[in-house]
Amino acid sequence: TQLLEQSPQFLSIQEGENLTVYCNSSSVFSSLQWYRQEPGEGPVLLVTVVTGGEVKKLKRLTFQFGDARKDSSLHITAAQPGDTGLYLCAGEYNFNKFYFGSGTKLNVKP
Amino acid sequence: ETGVTQSPTHLIKTRGQQVTLRCSSQSGHNTVSWYQQALGQGPQFIFQYYREEENGRGNFPPRFSGLQFPNYSSELNVNALELDDSALYLCASAGGPTTYEQYFGPGTRLTVT
Repeated sequence: TQLLEQSPQFLSIQEGENLTVYCNSSSVFSSLQWYRQEPGEGPVLLVTVVTGGEVKKLKRLTFQFGDARKDSSLHITAAQPGDTGLYLCAGEYNFNKFYFGSGTKLNVKP
Repeated sequence: ETGVTQSPTHLIKTRGQQVTLRCSSQSGHNTVSWYQQALGQGPQFIFQYYREEENGRGNFPPRFSGLQFPNYSSELNVNALELDDSALYLCASAGGPTTYEQYFGPGTRLTVT
């Protein structure tokens, strides 16, 4: 059972397009992280959001934490081939326990 | 500052055998968490160690056990291996158990035949 549902599972777009990835749960999280993982490597932390309604920007990436701290979104503007990878969200559910979604596999074609 | 390292990179074992995986945490980090990532899935939390004590566990059977050493490096032991244990095993280190941010190693790919 996945506590965090990510959508879409797969996304294939052209360079320059915008996209949004969603991470939803019925549970409340004390914090939520977004990671990017490339094949054969460990996930790399992109951002941590803590406060409900929080918005963080990292260059062309915008992250939002829902007001109720149950969901989050990642928006990429003008996607580039270097953005290709598996995007994972992870929520701190109980103290010290992090649950991951199954990920969104993004492919940006040149 | 060195990052999180794991060994070995790849491992092939037979069903019923035992395996030990190793993780060196990032310099200055005293908390290590272990995750199992099956193909096409997100990582699943196995357990966390803080200052040599288990400090939280996911839904994994007791044949998954661990250790943390005084230098904060860690081991994951799996007994009586099953085919479904085939996965990428990731460790992540953090500066403390209440620190939100954790940093992952490259993982150990375990194949059970």
